[in-house]
Amino acid sequence: EAQVTQNPRYLITVTGKKLTVTCSQNMNHEYMSWYRQDPGLGLRQIYYSMNVEVTDKGDVPEGYKVSRKEKRNFPLILESPSPNQTSLYFCASSSLQTGTEAFFGQGTRLTVV
Amino acid sequence: DQQVKQNSPSLSVQEGRISILNCDYTNSMFDYFLWYKKYPAEGPTFLISISSIKDKNEDGRFTVFLNKSAKHLSLHIVPSQPGDSAVYFCAARPNRDDKIIFGKGTRLHILP
Repeated sequence: EAQVTQNPRYLITVTGKKLTVTCSQNMNHEYMSWYRQDPGLGLRQIYYSMNVEVTDKGDVPEGYKVSRKEKRNFPLILESPSPNQTSLYFCASSSLQTGTEAFFGQGTRLTVV
Repeated sequence: DQQVKQNSPSLSVQEGRISILNCDYTNSMFDYFLWYKKYPAEGPTFLISISSIKDKNEDGRFTVFLNKSAKHLSLHIVPSQPGDSAVYFCAARPNRDDKIIFGKGTRLHILP
C-alpha cells in the first residue's frame, strides 16, 4: 500500500529539548516536503526536497532543519524547540515524473511547553 | 504575499444541495491546480485536479472549474453528503518540477 508514514503521531516536549519527527514514503517519490498547519493559516511549507541531498527552504523554515540522505526518508529536526513551534505537522511526497498530487502522512501533533 | 487565496473560511450547505468552494490565485504561471480534502486528525487527501490547459474536470460528484482570465477556480460538489464535511484546500503548482502552494482552506459543513 502506497503511504507516507510519520512518527510520532503525538509528542509533548519541553522548550529546548532537541527532537526529530521521522517521515518515510514507499513510493520512490523524488519530492518530499514538510508543512505545518495552524488555525487560520492553513498549510505552510517548512522545507522541501527535490531529491537525495537536495533540500530547500519553504515559507517558514526558521527553527527547523531537514536532511535527505535516502530517497525514502525526510526527517524534520527541531534543534531547540520553542512554544511557537506547537503545531500540527504533515509530511508529503510526490512524483516529479507524474508531477501531480502529493500524498500526505497522518500528521504529528507537537506541543512544546 | 498569498498566491493562492481561499477567502471563505467556512461554508454551510444543506445535504443534497450543491457546495461551491472558491479559490483565487495571483500567479499566472501556475500550471496545475489541485483540491485536497482534510478530516480532523488525518492528513490531507487528494481530491481532484485540473491542468491549466483545461477549463473543467469532472470526477463523480466533484467538478473543478478553471477560469484563467479571472485567475479563479471553483470546486462543485453535487449532491452534498454528510461525509463531505471537512476542510478543503485549494493548491497550485507552477510546473511539475516545483512545489505545491496551498490556500488557507475552507471548512465545509453539510447540514442535515
